Amino acid sequence: AQSVTQPDIHITVSEGASLELRCNYSYGATPYLFWYVQSPGQGLQLLLKYFSGDTLVQGIKGFEAEFKRSQSSFNLRKPSVHWSDAAEYFCAVGPYNNNDMRFGAGTRLTVKP
Amino acid sequence: EAQVTQNPRYLITVTGKKLTVTCSQNMNHEYMSWYRQDPGLGLRQIYYSMNVEVTDKGDVPEGYKVSRKEKRNFPLILESPSPNQTSLYFCASSARTPSGDTQYFGPGTRLTVL
Repeated sequence: AQSVTQPDIHITVSEGASLELRCNYSYGATPYLFWYVQSPGQGLQLLLKYFSGDTLVQGIKGFEAEFKRSQSSFNLRKPSVHWSDAAEYFCAVGPYNNNDMRFGAGTRLTVKP
Repeated sequence: EAQVTQNPRYLITVTGKKLTVTCSQNMNHEYMSWYRQDPGLGLRQIYYSMNVEVTDKGDVPEGYKVSRKEKRNFPLILESPSPNQTSLYFCASSARTPSGDTQYFGPGTRLTVL
């Protein structure tokens, strides 16, 4: 069965510092991978997704993620964090065009001034 | 503006009192889902719908019902709520299946069952 692990429950970074949020997945076939962000009191918003092709994916708000099949990872990165990036981030995986989509438990990001 | 709306946003109720959480989308999406979010567990799918009158169970359907009589609406019904259904609930819609397209999420409904 497919599953997603986000090893870090909570991360704190200083504003302007770089960020990397980890995501590891378990899936038997080619995974389709997503990162969503949830701001306080809001629903989830898609940051980026990977279906195929270039393994480095660019998303909104200056985020990017890299698919590494050998490591079963899809880590999210941002070179310089802004205070408005404080939120909870969810990695998700699913077979393409299927209802069976699984979310990780989330990583809460705190940004220090 | 493209959006998914949910009502109510907050609800406190007592065990056994039937309740309905409404969900509506204005994007003409075929697919709609309900998720619950619990600390440490992320989002888990309760039910989904592929189109009008077509619904199916997700990972955690026990204690919930849904209906899809119109394309834009997908209400979640708790016939006899219990305290273990205290959670944050999200409705989502997508033009294609959840893992084949971008899902658009509502703002969430925080439910407390006493």
